[in-house]
Amino acid sequence: DQQVKQNSPSLSVQEGRISILNCDYTNSMFDYFLWYKKYPAEGPTFLISISSIKDKNEDGRFTVFLNKSAKHLSLHIVPSQPGDSAVYFCALTSGTYKYIFGTGTRLKVLA
Amino acid sequence: NAGVMQNPRHLVRRRGQEARLRCSPMKGHSHVYWYRQLPEEGLKFMVYLQKENIIDESGMPKERFSAEFPKEGPSILRIQQVVRGDSAAYFCASSPQGLEVYEQYFGPGTRLTVT
Repeated sequence: DQQVKQNSPSLSVQEGRISILNCDYTNSMFDYFLWYKKYPAEGPTFLISISSIKDKNEDGRFTVFLNKSAKHLSLHIVPSQPGDSAVYFCALTSGTYKYIFGTGTRLKVLA
Repeated sequence: NAGVMQNPRHLVRRRGQEARLRCSPMKGHSHVYWYRQLPEEGLKFMVYLQKENIIDESGMPKERFSAEFPKEGPSILRIQQVVRGDSAAYFCASSPQGLEVYEQYFGPGTRLTVT
């Protein structure tokens, strides 16, 4: 039973354009949502988060959107840069330390 | 570098041997979490420890796996009598506080290969 899904295993985007990564979940108990970026041979690095009381959080080029009714989370990166090429994981929690991770989306930003 | 340290980075074991994975949390962090990532899957929570205490091991397989975080030294994830299905990347994370939601900071992982 997969509670968190990232349905696009990979995504290619031209440098300077917008990258949109998506994450869908089934459990309405999740109330805190995070995005992590992972380079090969490294651990995940925290990127941005949002709590369920908000629908948008912005940090520089990164914006996370939360649609609670649709149980949908997305990460927008604009403008995309080649250094953004990595695997992106969404991680969800119902208010505790126990994160539930998605399967990841591999983003490739083309120069 | 004051980040989360894990060693070894790569570990090869034959079936039936023991694997010991070590994790040193970030300076000032006393909460440690272990996750496992199987090929083509997301990270799966295994265990949450504080110094000398296992707080939640609900994600640990019931047999062969154990974890500790002694008063001194790194946290250890121990897998006895490894099988091929244990081949995975094992990540450790730490946070300054626990129980509630805090961003967890991850180490580079240990890639275990069982031959």
